[in-house]
Amino acid sequence: AQKVTQAQTEISVVEKEDVTLDCVYETRDTTYYLFWYKQPPSGELVFLIRRNSFDEQNEISGRYSWNFQKSTSSFNFTITASQVVDSAVYFCALSEAVTGNQFYFGTGTSLTVIP
Amino acid sequence: NAGVTQTPKFRVLKTGQSMTLLCAQDMNHEYMYWYRQDPGMGLRLIHYSVGEGTTAKGEVPDGYNVSRLKKQNFLLGLESAAPSQTSVYFCASSYPRALNTEAFFGQGTRLTVV
Repeated sequence: AQKVTQAQTEISVVEKEDVTLDCVYETRDTTYYLFWYKQPPSGELVFLIRRNSFDEQNEISGRYSWNFQKSTSSFNFTITASQVVDSAVYFCALSEAVTGNQFYFGTGTSLTVIP
Repeated sequence: NAGVTQTPKFRVLKTGQSMTLLCAQDMNHEYMYWYRQDPGMGLRLIHYSVGEGTTAKGEVPDGYNVSRLKKQNFLLGLESAAPSQTSVYFCASSYPRALNTEAFFGQGTRLTVV
């Protein structure tokens, strides 16, 4: 079973629009960690944020914000006032205490910001 | 401090050839991983290692072997390359879970098998 689901395969927005990338996860563990990574066209994977299962506080970092809701098993990512440089593939990932050491990735959402 | 370094960055193999991808990290991380990335499939774990001398299978291990003879290095081998192994390969490393850390990735190796 897919542990991390990113249902949005591709999204296009016009510059300065807000956009939310969805991430739904599945785990039976009570201790787990969630992550978002960005993969720009150059191909490297850039870490954006991590959250542990005991910390449901939302986080804001500049134009980026993350909404973690255990009740719906979601960890969504919002970009406010999108810019062309935000164009990338974004991956959500899960790491569980019970499976120890593995990071499970979603299939990614490709975001295109149109100038 | 280079982080995670993968060698080579690009490679073209003929079907049946063998090769080894090298991953080196200088962050003293215990855990290391090999992933492959294919269009529409995200990153899938091939093998991983929780310490020097230990390796374990991930989600898609068939056709690959690994070795972790030194803590800082994690090698991925293809004994007889197949076109289905055309992919982008990423190595990553991390601290043990107790430190609540993310995985640090290399730049990737683009492998084409013809």
